[in-house]
Amino acid sequence: ETGVTQTPRHLVMGMTNKKSLKCEQHLGHNAMYWYKQSAKKPLELMFVYNFKEQTENNSVPSRFSPECPNSSHLFLHLHTLQPEDSALYLCASSLTGGRDEQYFGPGTRLTVT
Amino acid sequence: QKEVEQNSGPLSVPEGAIASLNCTYSDRGSQSFFWYRQYSGKSPELIMSIYSNGDKEDGRFTAQLNKASQYVSLLIRDSQPSDSATYLCAVNGVNDYKLSFGAGTTVTVRA
Repeated sequence: ETGVTQTPRHLVMGMTNKKSLKCEQHLGHNAMYWYKQSAKKPLELMFVYNFKEQTENNSVPSRFSPECPNSSHLFLHLHTLQPEDSALYLCASSLTGGRDEQYFGPGTRLTVT
Repeated sequence: QKEVEQNSGPLSVPEGAIASLNCTYSDRGSQSFFWYRQYSGKSPELIMSIYSNGDKEDGRFTAQLNKASQYVSLLIRDSQPSDSATYLCAVNGVNDYKLSFGAGTTVTVRA
């Protein structure tokens, strides 16, 4: 595996379900990010982890819960989502935070029914 | 909160022409500037980064940065149908983990 990988690529879940998104980076980076991309809206930063420490929570509802066990893995735990949470969820990584280039994974297309 | 504005598009150019994409940003302290290409249904792909005033060329792509005018642009020379995509401008601060994205400009290259 190379670059940034995400699983699953597609997810359909009911509002009462609990699911998790997984991201893994193979670039030796130390910062990882979750973004949300909704139709016709700019990319929205959700969470930032730098050296496994959360450095940013961009006012994300508590039904989204991130976890970063090490610098290579990032999870997004989902529970009691709403239909408006349907979107493309993108993981990205960079060498460190700040000025470094960010590289994106392929994303998880989430549909909440 | 940084704001990043891009020309709304869509932008339609004939094959072989130059596509010109513009981006302005509100935070004068911004230090890092990126252009991403996003094909429909795919994730953003980094195509250019620029940190200093002036031009930076990479193949058919040229990024131009003018910090005094808070303006960054992307030129695509000899446009190809494969360049048809949405181009996202992104801006970062000096000690800021946040990458602020513009809404994107959709480019269509007509064969």
